[in-house]
Amino acid sequence: GENVEQHPSTLSVQEGDSAVIKCTYSDSASNYFPWYKQELGKRPQLIIDIRSNVGEKKDQRIAVTLNKTAKHFSLHITETQPEDSAVYFCAALKAAGNKLTFGGGTRVLVKP
Amino acid sequence: SAVISQKPSRDICQRGTSLTIQCQVDSQVTMMFWYRQQPGQSLTLIATANQGSEATYESGFVIDKFPISRPNLTFSTLTVSNMSPEDSSIYLCSTRAGAETQYFGPGTRLLVL
Repeated sequence: GENVEQHPSTLSVQEGDSAVIKCTYSDSASNYFPWYKQELGKRPQLIIDIRSNVGEKKDQRIAVTLNKTAKHFSLHITETQPEDSAVYFCAALKAAGNKLTFGGGTRVLVKP
Repeated sequence: SAVISQKPSRDICQRGTSLTIQCQVDSQVTMMFWYRQQPGQSLTLIATANQGSEATYESGFVIDKFPISRPNLTFSTLTVSNMSPEDSSIYLCSTRAGAETQYFGPGTRLLVL
């Protein structure tokens, strides 16, 4: 089955700096890659996603890039703010399958 | 996006007892899922709740321990049976809008003593 690895497990950045989280997946049939943000005690919230026919997608301060050949995708947060502090999860969905496979999560701390 | 609610939001239970968690969606959805999130961990899929048929369980999860019902396209329940402290976790209901986009309920925080 699909395996998604996520790095780093923790990330501490200074407010205003950029944060980058990287994920790799194993199944070349995966074609949908969402990112979730989970604040303490809250549900995971979808913040951005990308499909395999697109190499990059941006939404204000967040962007996601996808390299299908290398089977990895990354989340970029620019101009980080304290409210960006949370756990971020990447995930991958196979084209014809039903199961969304999650990475292990990255705990991001933005220091003011 | 679908609005998903869960009941109860949290509970403290004694070992050996069972707890049923309810998930309600404000629109009809084809796919409903149940996840477990242990403290500080990622999300692990327990099963896919199928309307009109038995749930499909992931490796390591069995129907006797986690029976699931899906009586219609807006509602599902997950029961955690014969609980032990190792079952202390957050249980999350999830639905998929369209073919891909997946949303989560607020979760049920379970503590087993």
